[in-house]
Amino acid sequence: AQTVTQSQPEMSVQEAETVTLSCTYDTSESDYYLFWYKQPPSRQMILVIRQEAYKQQNATENRFSVNFQKAAKSFSLKISDSQLGDAAMYFCAYLENTGNQFYFGTGTSLTVIP
Amino acid sequence: KAGVTQTPRYLIKTRGQQVTLSCSPISGHRSVSWYQQTPGQGLQFLFEYFSETQRNKGNFPGRFSGRQFSNSRSEMNVSTLELGDSALYLCASSYRAIRPGVAYEQYFGPGTRLTVT
Repeated sequence: AQTVTQSQPEMSVQEAETVTLSCTYDTSESDYYLFWYKQPPSRQMILVIRQEAYKQQNATENRFSVNFQKAAKSFSLKISDSQLGDAAMYFCAYLENTGNQFYFGTGTSLTVIP
Repeated sequence: KAGVTQTPRYLIKTRGQQVTLSCSPISGHRSVSWYQQTPGQGLQFLFEYFSETQRNKGNFPGRFSGRQFSNSRSEMNVSTLELGDSALYLCASSYRAIRPGVAYEQYFGPGTRLTVT
């Protein structure tokens, strides 16, 4: 089974500042997909951003961007101009190229300080 | 398009009882996955159903079972409940990739909060 590690159980950021959440994974595959999901206090998990391993360009979605380092098996999420609504649990997830089973990390709880 | 729905949202059971949770996927999604979420453990994969067949299974005891109906709705059953089964149970639906190079993200329901006393 693949392993996804989020080494930061909790993080905090000042409103309008930038924060980076870390994620590493273990795989022997060359083609796969990586995702960041956000789970606000309401509990509905929503997709933030996705990255295809074959793409060298880092994915970006508005204030959210990733730093994908394939050789290092690292996939960090950068949140710019943090807003109060960004406060949530963030999960990193891995999906094999030929599979349909997602592997999730243990999550990082992000607090945004006004 | 309506999102993934899960019923009930909250459930309280006592040890030894059994429970059935329901999940209705997004229209057109035929893959349904179930996860158990507990503090500190993240999301633990239970199983995935596609076309009424279990396709993947996580490392959970046989007390955890599921099924999928022809309309893609899925149910999860836990028998002989234990205190450690208290958790948020999440259901996620997606299209299912049938060839390499295609991947679909999962869409999650709000979850069912199960408390075992």
